[in-house]
Amino acid sequence: QVQLQESGPGLVKPSQTLSLTCTVSGGSIYWSWIRQPAGKGLEWIGRIYTSGSTNYNPSLKSRVTISLDTSKNQLSLKLSSVTAADTAVYYCARGSATAGYAFDIWGQGTLVTVSS
Amino acid sequence: DIQMTQSPSSLSASVGDRVTITCRASQSISNYLNWYQQKPGRAPNLLIYTASSLQSGVPSRFSASGSGADFTLTISSLQPEDLATYYCEQSFSPPYTFGQGTKLEIE
Repeated sequence: QVQLQESGPGLVKPSQTLSLTCTVSGGSIYWSWIRQPAGKGLEWIGRIYTSGSTNYNPSLKSRVTISLDTSKNQLSLKLSSVTAADTAVYYCARGSATAGYAFDIWGQGTLVTVSS
Repeated sequence: DIQMTQSPSSLSASVGDRVTITCRASQSISNYLNWYQQKPGRAPNLLIYTASSLQSGVPSRFSASGSGADFTLTISSLQPEDLATYYCEQSFSPPYTFGQGTKLEIE
């Protein structure tokens, strides 16, 4: 059973860099990060293929880096110059080749608050 | 970006009712449309992929249809455990985008 687990600081100061990791396993076509502000909808942040190729949401592209360390089965997210608007629950998710690129496995999510 | 619009935004129904949620894309997305269920305090869960394929383990009362730009999710007989917010998502072209959600309440 594939499980994903996000980890990282729950509190980040404004203008600093948010850094999260997600332990991944199992076959996949790609891995994504998705976020959800409290009481709001879902926003796709970006994805990384197992080949290392990435795509980012243009709204965040200048601030986002997603990487994958296959030796550690670790997916990472870095979001720089954060503001209060980046406060959200952050999810890692698996994009499945057998499910039409849908996100078939999600982590439980981790709340990141941006505040001084 | 492809905009996804769901309707209604909220819905109240009784146990046993047939419930339909619609999702419209701002352009054709073929059948690259997925549906998720998110229960309070939980991560989203994939219900339907490629417009009409039922994800393994999802009850058969859930079904979906559509292609191009218009899609529907149907719950044939609403159950108490279906209390959740439902999202559509297009995986046709990045940035992948979600609808704003439909909050389903049980009367």
